[in-house]
Amino acid sequence: SQKIEQNSEALNIQEGKTATLTCNYTNYSPAYLQWYRQDPGRGPVFLLLIRENEKEKRKERLKVTFDTTLKQSLFHITASQPADSATYLCAGGGGYSSASKIIFGSGTRLSIRP
Amino acid sequence: GAGVSQSPSNKVTEKGKDVELRCDPISGHTALYWYRQSLGQGLEFLIYFQGNSAPDKSGLPSDRFSAERTGGSVSTLTIQRTQQEDSAVYLCASSPRGGRELFFGEGSRLTVL
Repeated sequence: SQKIEQNSEALNIQEGKTATLTCNYTNYSPAYLQWYRQDPGRGPVFLLLIRENEKEKRKERLKVTFDTTLKQSLFHITASQPADSATYLCAGGGGYSSASKIIFGSGTRLSIRP
Repeated sequence: GAGVSQSPSNKVTEKGKDVELRCDPISGHTALYWYRQSLGQGLEFLIYFQGNSAPDKSGLPSDRFSAERTGGSVSTLTIQRTQQEDSAVYLCASSPRGGRELFFGEGSRLTVL
C-alpha cells in the first residue's frame, strides 16, 4: 500500500543548529510533497509544498528538497529556535489538476533546546 | 468564520453508541478531507470529497464509519456502534479549487468508554 514514512520519531537539537527531517515514500509516486507543523492539541498548519519536478524550495528559514531517485524529501530548519519545537508532518498527494487523496507520515517531534 | 470549524471539540460516549462529528469548511473550498489521529500517531486518511464527484472512501476502516457532505459544504462523519479503538482525534481539512494546501480544523476528540 502507499506509504509515507518519517523514520525519526523524535529529534533533539541545540538552538542555532540546522534541523534536518527525513520523509520517504513507498509504493507510489506522489506528484508533490507537503510539510506541516502541528503543535500539541492543534490541527496541522501548512508550511511548504514541493512538486516532483522541483529539486528544492525555500521559505525564510525553511528548505525542502525532493529526490525522486531516492524517493525522499528532506526538510531543513536553519538557525533553529526553541519556538520551532513541534511535530512536523510530511504528506504526499497525487494530482496536479485537481484535489486528490493526501496521505501523511507519522510525524517527527522536534525539540530545540536553548 | 475564517477557518475550518469542527464540533463537538470533545465527545465522550459509551461503547455501542452512535456519534456524529461535524465539519464546516472554509467558504468556497471545494475539497474536504477527514483524518483520524490516535494518540502520538500520524494522520490516518479516512475519506475525501471533491466538488460533486463521488467521494474517495478508501480509508474508512469499517462499515461502521460513513460520511456525507451536504450542498458541497458542511460534512458529517458518523460512527455507528462505537468501539474503544475508535477513540482518537478526528480532524477535518478543506482545500480551495486548484489548491493543494490543506486547512485544518482543531479536531474533535472522541473518547469511547
